[in-house]
Amino acid sequence: LAKTTQPISMDSYEGQEVNITCSHNNIATNDYITWYQQFPSQGPRFIIQGYKTKVTNEVASLFIPADRKSSTLSLPRVSLSDTAVYYCLLMDTGRRALTFGSGTRLQVQP
Amino acid sequence: GAVVSQHPSWVICKSGTSVKIECRSLDFQATTMFWYRQFPKQSLMLMATSNEGSKATYEQGVEKDKFLINHASLTLSTLTVTSAHPEDSSFYICSAQGQGAWNEQFFGPGTRLTVL
Repeated sequence: LAKTTQPISMDSYEGQEVNITCSHNNIATNDYITWYQQFPSQGPRFIIQGYKTKVTNEVASLFIPADRKSSTLSLPRVSLSDTAVYYCLLMDTGRRALTFGSGTRLQVQP
Repeated sequence: GAVVSQHPSWVICKSGTSVKIECRSLDFQATTMFWYRQFPKQSLMLMATSNEGSKATYEQGVEKDKFLINHASLTLSTLTVTSAHPEDSSFYICSAQGQGAWNEQFFGPGTRLTVL
């Protein structure tokens, strides 16, 4: 299975933009890049998904270069409530379980 | 969006007892559900894949006789931890896959199991 690599942790302050980069050098043609957010003692929550270029929704933006070997999740103007673990995963149309890497623990300070 | 529930949200039991955790897809049918386990400060680890009407597929290292999975309907999968021991204390999370072409998965809120 294609693996992803993310920084273990990041710190930020309220109001700043946070960019979390994920490496996936062995991404397959059928893989979509997907990000989940997890708060303590809760199940993961879907944030955003993309295949190439840029995707934006009401929560975040996802930047994917042409070679798709990496991606960057961008959280604009973070708040304290954005403190969580963020997971980058590769998903295809197959009916398989998700493989979670270590995730990035984001700590937002006041 | 689609909602997945789990019951109970937390449970404390004595060593040697069995505990059943339910995972329900509330507004959609799920032919496939997945069970994950998460220890403190760690990532989610897949335990097994639950398919409606057939036997579950367990990941390497997960004892199928200890973690019994039943997927009797398109909206319900259960995980029973038999003869629980303190090392089974963990956060158990299920996810359900929709029936669309896309591999979208919806996660439950998790169940915190503490074995004394």
